[in-house]
Amino acid sequence: GAVVSQHPSWVICKSGTSVKIECRSLDFQATTMFWYRQFPKQSLMLMATSNEGSKATYEQGVEKDKFLINHASLTLSTLTVTSAHPEDSSFYICSARDRGLAGISYEQYFGPGTRLTVT
Amino acid sequence: AQTVTQSQPEMSVQEAETVTLSCTYDTSESDYYLFWYKQPPSRQMILVIRQEAYKQQNATENRFSVNFQKAAKSFSLKISDSQLGDAAMYFCAYRNPPYGGSQGNLIFGKGTKLSVKP
Repeated sequence: GAVVSQHPSWVICKSGTSVKIECRSLDFQATTMFWYRQFPKQSLMLMATSNEGSKATYEQGVEKDKFLINHASLTLSTLTVTSAHPEDSSFYICSARDRGLAGISYEQYFGPGTRLTVT
Repeated sequence: AQTVTQSQPEMSVQEAETVTLSCTYDTSESDYYLFWYKQPPSRQMILVIRQEAYKQQNATENRFSVNFQKAAKSFSLKISDSQLGDAAMYFCAYRNPPYGGSQGNLIFGKGTKLSVKP
């Protein structure tokens, strides 16, 4: 089956620094990737949708200058948390959607997530 | 805007028994997809089952089946012969097709935590 990887799986950074999270589709091409944030015991909250080669679309309330998303290729999207603060500590999950065959299938596959702790 | 509601924050089932998780949604669309995802303690999202709205037949995957009531906008998940490994958070999700101005992103309910007692 399709595999999505995320790196790193866990990162600890100091307040004020930036951290980059990578999301890769390993065996399929993903024209669209999604970034979610999940707080403990809560549901997934969509942060932004990125399409390969174009600017990401951010959900209302998500600071685009703080959460920089780049989708430079059909297999890689990155989320950079700039000037991180303790309140940015969370679990970040990416998801990649298959290009689909003749518009029939648009399966969405999830990465294993990245736990960010800002001290 | 579409919404997904899971009214059961927690459920419990005895091993080998059957449990049903509830989900309702709201949409004005006629073409859409519904999903149940499982999130175990590892937090990896796992697709359990998918239902296309245009299909009248309820989807089944081994011990997992759904009761899709389109008119009532209801989409419940039945887990038969529950196993200890079924213990997890279960999220109901809705998705528009990724065309016609929609990005086709998933909209999740708040989740139901399922415990399985041995």
